[in-house]
Amino acid sequence: QVQLVQSGAEVKKPGASVKVSCKASGSTLTGSEFNWVRQAAGQGLEWMGWMNPDTGNTGYAQKFQGRVTMTRDTSIATAYMELSSLRSEDTAVYYCAWHSTTIWGQGTMVTVSS
Amino acid sequence: DIVMTQTPLSLSVTPGQPASMSCKSSQSLLHSDGKTYLYWYLQKPGQPPQLLIYEVSNRFSGVPDRFSGSGSGTDFTLKISRVEAEDVGIYYCMHSIEVPWTFGQGTKVEIK
Repeated sequence: QVQLVQSGAEVKKPGASVKVSCKASGSTLTGSEFNWVRQAAGQGLEWMGWMNPDTGNTGYAQKFQGRVTMTRDTSIATAYMELSSLRSEDTAVYYCAWHSTTIWGQGTMVTVSS
Repeated sequence: DIVMTQTPLSLSVTPGQPASMSCKSSQSLLHSDGKTYLYWYLQKPGQPPQLLIYEVSNRFSGVPDRFSGSGSGTDFTLKISRVEAEDVGIYYCMHSIEVPWTFGQGTKVEIK
């Protein structure tokens, strides 16, 4: 059974960058797009973008254009989401989702605080 | 961006009773390929969302048949025929017809 295992919690200062990983266990990284979704505490879900693991092609929500980069390393079946120029409003749990959002990672808490 | 509006924002339901919630999109979710890209998720406390329904009315594998989705165009409904204690959480609708995908604000279901 395929599972997505995300990296651990991060604490960053404003202006810094964070890179969250999402490792697929039990599968190679092919065939379906990865999506990244975030959720601030007590808030709803916000879609950030997608990445095709076969081609590396990406599509980002306009809100994150210029600040987000989604990549992958197929040799270790891992997808990444990097967010730069962090501000306090980026404090949230970040989720990866795969296979048409049928499989989700456990989430990574990113805290941005001075 | 397409705006997804869910109602009600909260529901309190007696176990064994039905529940229904609505999701309206600001534009049609019917794609030229004939599919309608509307999904329903349940997020239980402290967990990631889990897919319940895809393309309006298709239950994802393992989802109990007490959950059903319906609708077309811009108006969609999720029904639970007999609510159970394990159904508590926040239900979200989402579209994926265009970028950016957007979610509704969620309907919180609690048990009386």
